Amino acid sequence: EAGVTQSPTHLIKTRGQQATLRCSPISGHTSVYWYQQALGLGLQFLLWYDEGEERNRGNFPPRFSGRQFPNYSSELNVNALELEDSALYLCASSPRLESYEQYFGPGTRLTVT
Amino acid sequence: AQSVAQPEDQVNVAEGNPLTVKCTYSVSGNPYLFWYVQYPNRGLQFLLKYITGDNLVKGSYGFEAEFNKSQTSFHLKKPSALVSDSALYFCAVRARPGNNRKLIWGLGTSLAVNP
Repeated sequence: EAGVTQSPTHLIKTRGQQATLRCSPISGHTSVYWYQQALGLGLQFLLWYDEGEERNRGNFPPRFSGRQFPNYSSELNVNALELEDSALYLCASSPRLESYEQYFGPGTRLTVT
Repeated sequence: AQSVAQPEDQVNVAEGNPLTVKCTYSVSGNPYLFWYVQYPNRGLQFLLKYITGDNLVKGSYGFEAEFNKSQTSFHLKKPSALVSDSALYFCAVRARPGNNRKLIWGLGTSLAVNP
Protein backbone atom coordinates (compact mmCIF):
# COMPACT_ATOMS: atom_id res chain seq x y z
CA GLU A 1 0.00 0.00 0.00
CA ALA A 2 1.47 3.33 -1.05
CA GLY A 3 1.79 5.90 1.70
CA VAL A 4 0.98 9.58 1.70
CA THR A 5 2.93 11.38 -1.00
CA GLN A 6 3.82 15.05 -1.17
CA SER A 7 5.28 17.23 -3.89
CA PRO A 8 7.57 18.94 -4.36
CA THR A 9 10.16 17.75 -1.87
CA HIS A 10 11.75 21.17 -1.73
CA LEU A 11 10.44 24.56 -2.78
CA ILE A 12 12.32 27.84 -2.79
CA LYS A 13 10.35 31.04 -3.16
CA THR A 14 10.90 34.74 -2.78
CA ARG A 15 9.07 36.87 -0.23
CA GLY A 16 5.72 38.01 -1.64
CA GLN A 17 5.36 35.10 -4.03
CA GLN A 18 2.81 32.29 -3.82
CA ALA A 19 3.57 28.65 -3.06
CA THR A 20 1.49 25.60 -3.93
CA LEU A 21 2.08 22.31 -2.15
CA ARG A 22 0.42 19.05 -3.10
CA CYS A 23 -0.59 15.94 -1.22
CA SER A 24 -1.98 12.57 -2.23
CA PRO A 25 -3.52 10.55 0.62
CA ILE A 26 -3.36 6.83 1.13
CA SER A 27 -5.82 5.07 -1.16
CA GLY A 28 -9.22 4.90 0.53
CA HIS A 29 -8.52 7.75 2.91
CA THR A 30 -10.92 10.67 2.66
CA SER A 31 -9.47 13.09 5.21
CA VAL A 32 -6.38 15.20 4.62
CA TYR A 33 -4.62 17.30 7.24
CA TRP A 34 -1.94 19.96 6.81
CA TYR A 35 0.62 20.88 9.45
CA GLN A 36 3.45 23.39 9.61
CA GLN A 37 6.64 22.25 11.35
CA ALA A 38 8.74 25.34 11.90
CA LEU A 39 12.05 25.30 13.71
CA GLY A 40 11.50 25.73 17.41
CA LEU A 41 7.72 25.81 17.15
CA GLY A 42 6.87 22.17 16.70
CA LEU A 43 3.94 21.02 14.63
CA GLN A 44 1.10 23.45 14.22
CA PHE A 45 -2.27 22.34 12.84
CA LEU A 46 -3.19 24.20 9.67
CA LEU A 47 -6.21 22.65 7.96
CA TRP A 48 -8.42 19.56 7.83
CA TYR A 49 -10.30 18.58 4.70
CA ASP A 50 -12.80 15.78 4.44
CA GLU A 51 -15.00 14.85 1.47
CA GLY A 52 -13.96 18.02 -0.30
CA GLU A 53 -14.92 20.36 2.52
CA GLU A 54 -12.78 22.35 4.94
CA ARG A 55 -13.74 20.94 8.36
CA ASN A 56 -11.39 22.74 10.69
CA ARG A 57 -8.73 25.41 10.55
CA GLY A 58 -5.84 26.27 12.82
CA ASN A 59 -4.74 29.70 13.96
CA PHE A 60 -3.20 30.84 10.69
CA PRO A 61 -3.94 33.91 8.55
CA PRO A 62 -6.24 33.65 5.52
CA ARG A 63 -3.29 33.70 3.13
CA PHE A 64 -2.95 30.03 4.05
CA SER A 65 -5.66 28.22 2.12
CA GLY A 66 -6.25 24.98 0.37
CA ARG A 67 -8.67 22.65 -1.24
CA GLN A 68 -9.44 18.98 -1.62
CA PHE A 69 -10.20 17.47 -4.98
CA PRO A 70 -12.77 14.76 -5.85
CA ASN A 71 -9.99 12.14 -5.76
CA TYR A 72 -9.23 13.30 -2.18
CA SER A 73 -5.84 14.77 -3.05
CA SER A 74 -5.21 18.21 -1.67
CA GLU A 75 -3.38 21.46 -2.31
CA LEU A 76 -2.08 23.94 0.21
CA ASN A 77 -1.63 27.46 -1.07
CA VAL A 78 0.36 30.10 0.73
CA ASN A 79 -0.01 33.61 -0.67
CA ALA A 80 2.14 36.66 -0.05
CA LEU A 81 4.96 34.56 1.36
CA GLU A 82 6.82 35.86 4.39
CA LEU A 83 10.24 34.79 5.64
CA GLU A 84 8.67 33.14 8.68
CA ASP A 85 6.68 30.81 6.41
CA SER A 86 9.89 28.86 5.89
CA ALA A 87 9.15 25.45 7.38
CA LEU A 88 8.48 21.80 6.70
CA TYR A 89 4.86 21.35 5.64
CA LEU A 90 3.47 17.95 6.47
CA CYS A 91 0.38 16.35 5.05
CA ALA A 92 -1.44 13.49 6.75
CA SER A 93 -4.46 11.38 5.88
CA SER A 94 -6.93 9.18 7.68
CA PRO A 95 -9.70 6.79 6.64
CA ARG A 96 -13.40 7.54 6.19
CA LEU A 97 -14.21 5.80 9.45
CA GLU A 98 -12.66 7.39 12.53
CA SER A 99 -9.41 5.64 13.35
CA TYR A 100 -7.91 8.46 15.43
CA GLU A 101 -4.35 8.12 14.13
CA GLN A 102 -3.13 10.08 11.14
CA TYR A 103 -0.67 8.85 8.53
CA PHE A 104 1.98 11.34 7.47
CA GLY A 105 3.83 12.05 4.27
CA PRO A 106 7.51 13.00 4.10
CA GLY A 107 6.78 16.71 3.85
CA THR A 108 7.65 19.65 1.62
CA ARG A 109 10.48 21.90 2.75
CA LEU A 110 9.51 25.48 1.88
CA THR A 111 12.26 28.09 1.98
CA VAL A 112 11.35 31.75 1.58
CA THR A 113 14.21 34.10 0.77
CA ALA B 1 -5.09 27.21 26.72
CA GLN B 2 -4.58 23.65 25.59
CA SER B 3 -0.97 22.54 25.55
CA VAL B 4 1.37 19.59 25.55
CA ALA B 5 4.72 19.61 27.31
CA GLN B 6 7.68 17.37 26.67
CA PRO B 7 9.98 18.56 29.43
CA GLU B 8 13.16 17.02 28.04
CA ASP B 9 14.63 18.26 24.78
CA GLN B 10 16.96 15.26 24.70
CA VAL B 11 17.14 11.88 26.38
CA ASN B 12 20.28 9.77 26.31
CA VAL B 13 20.21 6.08 27.20
CA ALA B 14 22.54 3.15 26.75
CA GLU B 15 21.50 0.32 24.48
CA GLY B 16 19.72 -2.39 26.43
CA ASN B 17 18.61 -0.04 29.19
CA PRO B 18 14.98 0.99 29.72
CA LEU B 19 13.93 4.32 28.30
CA THR B 20 11.26 6.84 29.24
CA VAL B 21 10.20 9.89 27.24
CA LYS B 22 7.92 12.16 29.24
CA CYS B 23 4.74 13.92 28.17
CA THR B 24 2.26 15.97 30.17
CA TYR B 25 -0.76 17.80 28.86
CA SER B 26 -3.18 20.53 29.74
CA VAL B 27 -6.45 19.73 28.00
CA SER B 28 -9.88 19.71 29.56
CA GLY B 29 -11.69 16.42 29.92
CA ASN B 30 -10.25 13.10 28.87
CA PRO B 31 -8.34 13.65 25.64
CA TYR B 32 -7.16 11.19 23.07
CA LEU B 33 -3.38 10.74 23.41
CA PHE B 34 -0.79 9.79 20.81
CA TRP B 35 2.90 9.19 20.31
CA TYR B 36 4.62 9.61 16.96
CA VAL B 37 8.25 9.13 15.95
CA GLN B 38 10.19 11.05 13.30
CA TYR B 39 13.30 9.51 11.82
CA PRO B 40 15.79 11.71 9.92
CA ASN B 41 14.55 12.63 6.45
CA ARG B 42 11.38 10.65 6.95
CA GLY B 43 7.84 11.57 7.86
CA LEU B 44 6.14 11.08 11.19
CA GLN B 45 5.19 7.52 12.04
CA PHE B 46 2.37 6.58 14.41
CA LEU B 47 3.54 4.60 17.46
CA LEU B 48 0.55 4.21 19.74
CA LYS B 49 -2.61 5.82 21.06
CA TYR B 50 -4.81 5.94 24.13
CA ILE B 51 -8.50 6.26 23.43
CA THR B 52 -10.21 4.49 26.32
CA GLY B 53 -9.84 1.44 28.54
CA ASP B 54 -6.61 0.07 29.99
CA ASN B 55 -4.24 2.84 31.03
CA LEU B 56 -1.24 0.91 29.65
CA VAL B 57 -1.21 0.81 25.87
CA LYS B 58 1.19 -1.11 23.68
CA GLY B 59 2.34 0.05 20.30
CA SER B 60 4.82 -0.53 17.52
CA TYR B 61 8.47 -1.57 17.92
CA GLY B 62 8.03 -2.68 21.55
CA PHE B 63 7.00 0.75 22.82
CA GLU B 64 4.29 1.27 25.41
CA ALA B 65 2.80 4.25 27.21
CA GLU B 66 0.88 4.75 30.43
CA PHE B 67 -1.98 7.17 30.76
CA ASN B 68 -2.13 8.77 34.21
CA LYS B 69 -5.23 10.88 34.56
CA SER B 70 -4.38 12.38 37.95
CA GLN B 71 -0.97 13.52 36.74
CA THR B 72 -2.21 14.34 33.20
CA SER B 73 0.71 12.41 31.81
CA PHE B 74 1.30 9.95 29.00
CA HIS B 75 4.92 8.82 29.25
CA LEU B 76 6.43 6.65 26.53
CA LYS B 77 8.46 3.65 27.66
CA LYS B 78 10.45 0.74 26.32
CA PRO B 79 12.02 -1.97 28.47
CA SER B 80 15.21 -2.33 26.41
CA ALA B 81 16.41 0.43 24.07
CA LEU B 82 17.94 -0.21 20.66
CA VAL B 83 20.35 2.05 18.77
CA SER B 84 17.76 2.10 15.99
CA ASP B 85 15.30 3.77 18.38
CA SER B 86 17.32 6.98 18.10
CA ALA B 87 14.90 9.52 16.65
CA LEU B 88 12.67 12.48 17.47
CA TYR B 89 9.55 11.59 19.48
CA PHE B 90 6.39 13.66 19.58
CA CYS B 91 3.47 13.49 21.97
CA ALA B 92 0.11 14.76 20.71
CA VAL B 93 -3.35 15.15 22.18
CA ARG B 94 -6.80 15.67 20.79
CA ALA B 95 -9.56 17.09 22.94
CA ARG B 96 -12.91 15.34 23.22
CA PRO B 97 -15.80 15.52 22.69
CA GLY B 98 -16.09 17.10 19.32
CA ASN B 99 -14.91 16.06 15.95
CA ASN B 100 -12.47 18.81 15.08
CA ARG B 101 -9.61 16.30 14.56
CA LYS B 102 -7.14 18.96 15.70
CA LEU B 103 -3.97 17.51 17.21
CA ILE B 104 -1.99 19.60 19.69
CA TRP B 105 1.68 18.68 19.67
CA GLY B 106 4.60 18.78 22.05
CA LEU B 107 7.88 20.20 20.78
CA GLY B 108 9.49 16.80 20.59
CA THR B 109 12.18 14.91 22.48
CA SER B 110 15.33 13.74 20.76
CA LEU B 111 16.21 10.24 21.89
CA ALA B 112 19.81 9.11 21.52
CA VAL B 113 20.57 5.46 22.25
CA ASN B 114 24.26 4.85 22.66
CA PRO B 115 25.84 1.50 21.74
